[in-house]
Amino acid sequence: NAGVMQNPRHLVRRRGQEARLRCSPMKGHSHVYWYRQLPEEGLKFMVYLQKENIIDESGMPKERFSAEFPKEGPSILRIQQVVRGDSAAYFCASSPSGRAETQYFGPGTRLLVL
Amino acid sequence: GESVGLHLPTLSVQEGDNSIINCAYSNSASDYFIWYKQESGKGPQFIIDIRSNMDKRQGQRVTVLLNKTVKHLSLQIAATQPGDSAVYFCAENIGRAQKLVFGQGTRLTINP
Repeated sequence: NAGVMQNPRHLVRRRGQEARLRCSPMKGHSHVYWYRQLPEEGLKFMVYLQKENIIDESGMPKERFSAEFPKEGPSILRIQQVVRGDSAAYFCASSPSGRAETQYFGPGTRLLVL
Repeated sequence: GESVGLHLPTLSVQEGDNSIINCAYSNSASDYFIWYKQESGKGPQFIIDIRSNMDKRQGQRVTVLLNKTVKHLSLQIAATQPGDSAVYFCAENIGRAQKLVFGQGTRLTINP
């Protein structure tokens, strides 16, 4: 049973470009969470999605950031017009039930904005 | 506001010794806490959890203690091994959405 998969593992973008981060949850998991981690800091919640629905986006910046979890395919975190402050590690976690203790984390995508 | 913080950002321990990592939280409504281990270049890995109706829980070489009176959480690792070197985070569960609030983290280094 494969774990949570994220790709790409490393992504380099220039300021103003778009970044697309993908998260494939574990088999049977219909709940996905995205977190952002700045260097030397803890993870910060961004958004919680179930299939085709955004449940909680209280941690998402109001502009340039969006997330989706379509009926088919991976969850996508999209960052438009990236700025240097977007450089961070982005982790997704999946869960079969939406309960905190059942969140399994992926290896993360390290985004570097030049 | 919501916050989970740690007293010590770094901790060095001799191999074989016990280590204690501390965490303070501020939200008295939190009812569930988790300790995660994060190795370099990897995602957080679940270590142990505890609910607010408990004050102690033990796992294999790890023990979590919860003091709700002073809103303090600790992780004890017994007989530390080189593989225990990592950053350790406490996290609390808030709200119906089950999102996690993470602390800053403590870097644990095991010296041979």
